[in-house]
Amino acid sequence: GDSVTQMEGPVTLSEEAFLTINCTYTATGYPSLFWYVQYPGEGLQLLLKATKADDKGSNKGFEATYRKETTSFHLEKGSVQVSDSAVYFCALTDSGGYQKVTFGIGTKLQVIP
Amino acid sequence: DTGVSQNPRHKITKRGQNVTFRCDPISEHNRLYWYRQTLGQGPEFLTYFQNEAQLEKSRLLSDRFSAERPKGSFSTLEIQRTEQGDSAMYLCASSLGTRLYEQYFGPGTRLTVT
Repeated sequence: GDSVTQMEGPVTLSEEAFLTINCTYTATGYPSLFWYVQYPGEGLQLLLKATKADDKGSNKGFEATYRKETTSFHLEKGSVQVSDSAVYFCALTDSGGYQKVTFGIGTKLQVIP
Repeated sequence: DTGVSQNPRHKITKRGQNVTFRCDPISEHNRLYWYRQTLGQGPEFLTYFQNEAQLEKSRLLSDRFSAERPKGSFSTLEIQRTEQGDSAMYLCASSLGTRLYEQYFGPGTRLTVT
């Protein structure tokens, strides 16, 4: 079945550091790929998405590119802020069916001033 | 648009008791999903509704679990004879049929079975 593998955390960075969170996936067909974010005490929010190969999703300074050849969707941000501290989930939906979301285990990011 | 709401936010119950959770999706959304998230893990799909029809159920959804969505509006998830292993965050999400890829999540109901 479909699966998502992402780097385990926690990841601790200083403010203004560069962020990369690795994510690879296994899926049949042509999945859509997502990054969700969960801030402390809040629900899951869609951060960005890419629906086909070579698409780049971006939002709030975060970016991720759908790489079909390496089955990857790594999350990057050039300069993190304390307010970015959260848990980040890589996810996919299958290309058919009912678009249920398959999530990775989540990576906790802590940004220190 | 008030987003997806879930009630209660927290539930503590004793093993063997029945519990019921409610999810109110965004009003125009015809698709509704339930997920379960245990500590340190990502959410796992449980079941899916399109309008009032339950169209898919995960193998995670044992016979003790039942979900309904009468009239295609709010949904309930009931767990009978709860077990300690049922302790988790139960998440509801909804989406609009014409924008299939964007699921909006509620804040979740945290269940603790003692």
